[in-house]
Amino acid sequence: TQLLEQSPQFLSIQEGENLTVYCNSSSVFSSLQWYRQEPGEGPVLLVTVVTGGEVKKLKRLTFQFGDARKDSSLHITAAQPGDTGLYLCAGFSNSGYALNFGKGTSLLVTP
Amino acid sequence: GAVVSQHPSWVICKSGTSVKIECRSLDFQATTMFWYRQFPKQSLMLMATSNEGSKATYEQGVEKDKFLINHASLTLSTLTVTSAHPEDSSFYICSATWASGRVEQYFGPGTRLTVT
Repeated sequence: TQLLEQSPQFLSIQEGENLTVYCNSSSVFSSLQWYRQEPGEGPVLLVTVVTGGEVKKLKRLTFQFGDARKDSSLHITAAQPGDTGLYLCAGFSNSGYALNFGKGTSLLVTP
Repeated sequence: GAVVSQHPSWVICKSGTSVKIECRSLDFQATTMFWYRQFPKQSLMLMATSNEGSKATYEQGVEKDKFLINHASLTLSTLTVTSAHPEDSSFYICSATWASGRVEQYFGPGTRLTVT
């Protein structure tokens, strides 16, 4: 199983602050996905990064895929309470097309 | 966008009983569905992969006789937890894809199972 390590595990910040969440692996992935999950709901896909070095922006969220396609980061600018949730990175396994998920970063943004 | 539903949203059952969870793709045909389990404050752990019309493939450590998966049609997969125990209490999430391959998975809203 290709392991995805996420850091930090928990993050509590105030509204307006910036933050970065990391997703690292010793394995190469053909692509990585980022999801956000709210309590009691299923995860929602935010973005898929495919090309090494790729940067994608989704409003205040910036996603980057490492040059070697082993790591990715999610940067949130001027966080808002609505950004609160569990952020998960995921990649397809070598053996097929099931997704392996990282342990997630639980983000709390307080007003 | 593609929509996946789960039923029920939450269920409470007594220890020793069985409970069935349904996963439906509402606006597309799902050739493959995945079942995940998520414990509080933890990530999603893949339990099994099911392809329509064939037997499910279970991940290592998941008891196939305890977690029965049926994918009888292109829009419905079911997970039956047999002889449930309190340690089976968890959040069960399914996802579905329209093709066999590394394509986007669409996730259901999850089912909260509590075994008393």
